[in-house]
Amino acid sequence: GAGVSQSPSNKVTEKGKDVELRCDPISGHTALYWYRQSLGQGLEFLIYFQGNSAPDKSGLPSDRFSAERTGGSVSTLTIQRTQQEDSAVYLCASNNGGRYEQYFGPGTRLTVT
Amino acid sequence: SQQGEEDPQALSIQEGENATMNCSYKTSINNLQWYRQNSGRGLVHLILIRSNEREKHSGRLRVTLDTSKKSSSLLITASRAADTASYFCATAASGGSYIPTFGRGTSLIVHP
Repeated sequence: GAGVSQSPSNKVTEKGKDVELRCDPISGHTALYWYRQSLGQGLEFLIYFQGNSAPDKSGLPSDRFSAERTGGSVSTLTIQRTQQEDSAVYLCASNNGGRYEQYFGPGTRLTVT
Repeated sequence: SQQGEEDPQALSIQEGENATMNCSYKTSINNLQWYRQNSGRGLVHLILIRSNEREKHSGRLRVTLDTSKKSSSLLITASRAADTASYFCATAASGGSYIPTFGRGTSLIVHP
């Protein structure tokens, strides 16, 4: 079946603009994760959605970052008033919850100029 | 919070040689997973080893887990140029959060 998809694959934006990144998880997966990866670094957890529970937002670096997941499926990560330090690859992953393997999308490479 | 840290940060070998990379973590885990990442894009799951397991195999991959030392190793035997990638370990805590913690990865280059 289809894997996790993300759009856009690349996004270049000017400092101060808002951006929206989209993630389509694998159909039926109850859990969805957002991560950020800066050049040459590991994955930094941002936010976790599990079913109808309140999301775990503990990894969001500032109040400029927010995310929602509509209908338990598609998720959108929004970054307001982008800064140059927001430049990174944003990765989305999904699974059926629990401590199991995650299925990752190809990522969105965000460049803030 | 606990964190998996891979060692070495970078590894360069010739095709046909074995590659070994290590992961250390800090607190009790439910399981440990290894992932591969090509060209800074999405990660691909390789293998999951549970805390009550000591060794697991998948094709040319061999993973060991030593919970007393809080460490794991990933061995890739008879490496190929296509194995060139970054490899990450991710630890899942034995209680509480379901959010895995990823290390910074080992960058492996296999020369043909």
